[in-house]
Amino acid sequence: SQQGEEDPQALSIQEGENATMNCSYKTSINNLQWYRQNSGRGLVHLILIRSNEREKHSGRLRVTLDTSKKSSSLLITASRAADTASYFCATLTTGNQFYFGTGTSLTVIP
Amino acid sequence: DAGVIQSPRHEVTEMGQEVTLRCKPISGHNSLFWYRQTMMRGLELLIYFNNNVPIDDSGMPEDRFSAKMPNASFSTLKIQPSEPRDSAVYFCASTPQGQISNQPQHFGDGTRLSIL
Repeated sequence: SQQGEEDPQALSIQEGENATMNCSYKTSINNLQWYRQNSGRGLVHLILIRSNEREKHSGRLRVTLDTSKKSSSLLITASRAADTASYFCATLTTGNQFYFGTGTSLTVIP
Repeated sequence: DAGVIQSPRHEVTEMGQEVTLRCKPISGHNSLFWYRQTMMRGLELLIYFNNNVPIDDSGMPEDRFSAKMPNASFSTLKIQPSEPRDSAVYFCASTPQGQISNQPQHFGDGTRLSIL
């Protein structure tokens, strides 16, 4: 399936450290989005990167996209306890199908 | 501004019963999506509507599931009859534009459904 595979499945870091999570997918995309989900809540959109873009920044977030490798990474710099959540990538394929990845569970220890 | 509103937040019912989940999208949004989230299968897109018309229901698991959008401000997802394997968190999301596009999706907080 097109579903993105995220790596690692779980990540635990100390507050102030950087967190990097990766997403790989299988077919050509129009865009890739990253979402955050706090426990018991809905997903919140973080950032969108188009297929012709390679890097995008938003505050402490940095997203890269490598379409040749069909992969993306999300970097959260100077992490805070409030960043503890699950992070999902989502791909819009060129066939107009939309898929979420399996998610990375991030724990930031104060 | 009010976000996507889902009701109920929690539903516990016995197998065989009919379950109806409700969603009110953000005012002015033209697309509405229903998702199911489980530990085993992650987030699955069940169906989405553009301008109240179902566009892609290929993710609906079986005929026991049905979804309607009678107007721009309301949608329902119905399961009849319900089975224990339908237990999951069901999310509704909406976007401003009339198709899956470069618009971010705005999610409700979900309905946690437990079928006993």
